[in-house]
Amino acid sequence: AQKITQTQPGMFVQEKEAVTLDCTYDTSDPSYGLFWYKQPSSGEMIFLIYQGSYDQQNATEGRYSLNFQKARKSANLVISASQLGDSAMYFCAMREGLYSGAGSYQLTFGKGTKLSVIP
Amino acid sequence: DARVTQTPRHKVTEMGQEVTMRCQPILGHNTVFWYRQTMMQGLELLAYFRNRAPLDDSGMPKDRFSAEMPDATLATLKIQPSEPRDSAVYFCASGPPWGNTGELFFGEGSRLTVL
Repeated sequence: AQKITQTQPGMFVQEKEAVTLDCTYDTSDPSYGLFWYKQPSSGEMIFLIYQGSYDQQNATEGRYSLNFQKARKSANLVISASQLGDSAMYFCAMREGLYSGAGSYQLTFGKGTKLSVIP
Repeated sequence: DARVTQTPRHKVTEMGQEVTMRCQPILGHNTVFWYRQTMMQGLELLAYFRNRAPLDDSGMPKDRFSAEMPDATLATLKIQPSEPRDSAVYFCASGPPWGNTGELFFGEGSRLTVL
């Protein structure tokens, strides 16, 4: 079974509008972390935002926020006021065993969503 | 500005040749990962090390791939012999000691084309 599912292969958004990229995850571990990375056409992987499974509040980093719904096992990325430079692939990822030390430390990635921002 | 450094950035080679990719993790990071990215499979973990010891290489084809960390500043991924299906972008990532959130810092990748 897929541990990370991103159901939107591609999305379009008008510049200055907000957009939500979906991510659902599957784990039986109570301690885990969820990450979003951005990969522009140049290829590098850029860390955007992190949410721990025990965090009480949704994470925010500038224009990025993570809509964390633990019961639904979803961790959607919200980008507010989209900019042309936001056009890229976006990957959701998970690390299990975050606080127990028993985890493997690896990140498991979803297949990604390609976001295109339209002027 | 600390960053993970990978070489080469691009490599074109012929089937059967040996390919070695190198990675210099961020100083002080004690975990190093090798990921492979293809259109079909996305990002797949090949191997990872903690404190230079290999912890998991189950994602790596053992017959042709090998990964090592000769010292704390160098990780290598070797393919011998290479095959066209190995064409992909190979990323190295490093992470700080446990206690952090687990964020990984990625290099810019090595794009391999095997003809």
